[in-house]
Amino acid sequence: AQSVAQPEDQVNVAEGNPLTVKCTYSVSGNPYLFWYVQYPNRGLQFLLKYITGDNLVKGSYGFEAEFNKSQTSFHLKKPSALVSDSALYFCAVRDGNTGKLIFGQGTTLQVKP
Amino acid sequence: SAVISQKPSRDICQRGTSLTIQCQVDSQVTMMFWYRQQPGQSLTLIATANQGSEATYESGFVIDKFPISRPNLTFSTLTVSNMSPEDSSIYLCSVETGREQFFGPGTRLTVL
Repeated sequence: AQSVAQPEDQVNVAEGNPLTVKCTYSVSGNPYLFWYVQYPNRGLQFLLKYITGDNLVKGSYGFEAEFNKSQTSFHLKKPSALVSDSALYFCAVRDGNTGKLIFGQGTTLQVKP
Repeated sequence: SAVISQKPSRDICQRGTSLTIQCQVDSQVTMMFWYRQQPGQSLTLIATANQGSEATYESGFVIDKFPISRPNLTFSTLTVSNMSPEDSSIYLCSVETGREQFFGPGTRLTVL
């Protein structure tokens, strides 16, 4: 069965510092991996995806993610955090047969000025 | 990409009543999904709704409780039937285009 794990409920970072939000996955076959962000009282916004190609994927709002097959990880990163990045972040894997997304538990990112 | 709208954006309902949530997409899509996000929780897939076939429900969700319609390639409805406070959640529809899923803004449901 496909699964995604986000080991941290919350990540706290000072503004201007680099941030990392962790995600590990378990899939059969090639992984299709996604990151979404959810701001308070808003829907999910797509950040980036990995399907194939370069292991470093660049996405919206300056975010990027590194696909690591040997460690089965897809950590979300940003070189310099902004207070406005504070939100709930979800990692997800797509089931190749059904197309449905399986979400991690979510990680709350808190960026303090 | 796809632009998705949902109605209503939020509602407060009484126990035992039903609410129908509408999802409208600005383009024709084959695959639509309905998710539930309970307070403080992640997203859980309720069902997959493909036009021209009956919805496929995930374990723990049944058609009598969450009937779904998919009359065409741009529209779907999810009904939450005989509601209880445990149904208080955000309900989101999503569509897939090019192996990428886009989400609507969600419907925030509170059941008293």
